[in-house]
Amino acid sequence: KAGVTQTPRYLIKTRGQQVTLSCSPISGHRSVSWYQQTPGQGLQFLFEYFSETQRNKGNFPGRFSGRQFSNSRSEMNVSTLELGDSALYLCASSFTGSGEQYFGPGTRLTVT
Amino acid sequence: AQKITQTQPGMFVQEKEAVTLDCTYDTSDQSYGLFWYKQPSSGEMIFLIYQGSYDEQNATEGRYSLNFQKARKSANLVISASQLGDSAMYFCAMREGGARQLTFGSGTQLTVLP
Repeated sequence: KAGVTQTPRYLIKTRGQQVTLSCSPISGHRSVSWYQQTPGQGLQFLFEYFSETQRNKGNFPGRFSGRQFSNSRSEMNVSTLELGDSALYLCASSFTGSGEQYFGPGTRLTVT
Repeated sequence: AQKITQTQPGMFVQEKEAVTLDCTYDTSDQSYGLFWYKQPSSGEMIFLIYQGSYDEQNATEGRYSLNFQKARKSANLVISASQLGDSAMYFCAMREGGARQLTFGSGTQLTVLP
């Protein structure tokens, strides 16, 4: 069974731009969660989607948004990028959201 | 208060020896889950082991075991027979009650010495 895939793996953007990251969960998994990892703040929860609905959201500004498609693939979008948005963005999938979460390789975003 | 505390920023262990990575947690929920993940320098978070709050037995997965002491609110990871490939950052995480998200500790950087 294929694991969680994330694209792109690396991204360099300029302040003020927007970016879209993609995550394909493990086949059969319907829950997708997103996390941001930075050296200063560690791993922080962004949001979770299940069956195309956002079920939970972390403490991030509205510039961070996401969506989930009918095939469970998910995208997250960050608008008006700031230098502090530079981070590793990790996507995790699980069958229902309450079981083990399996992570993808992450997208490393650098904002200059 | 920190929900997950990992007090060892860095640990060294000799190859083939066992090592214990500490994790304490704080929750008022009766139902919760505890997880350990490994993150190599490549960045991917690899799921290692899970312990539910109602599980009577300590979880084991191959060379990994979780030393769960509920009264002390600790969930230490024990790696037996360390290998060079075990060198990585290790994160303890918790999911409380009906929450969907995981709360992570700050991690322990483990280095296995040849």
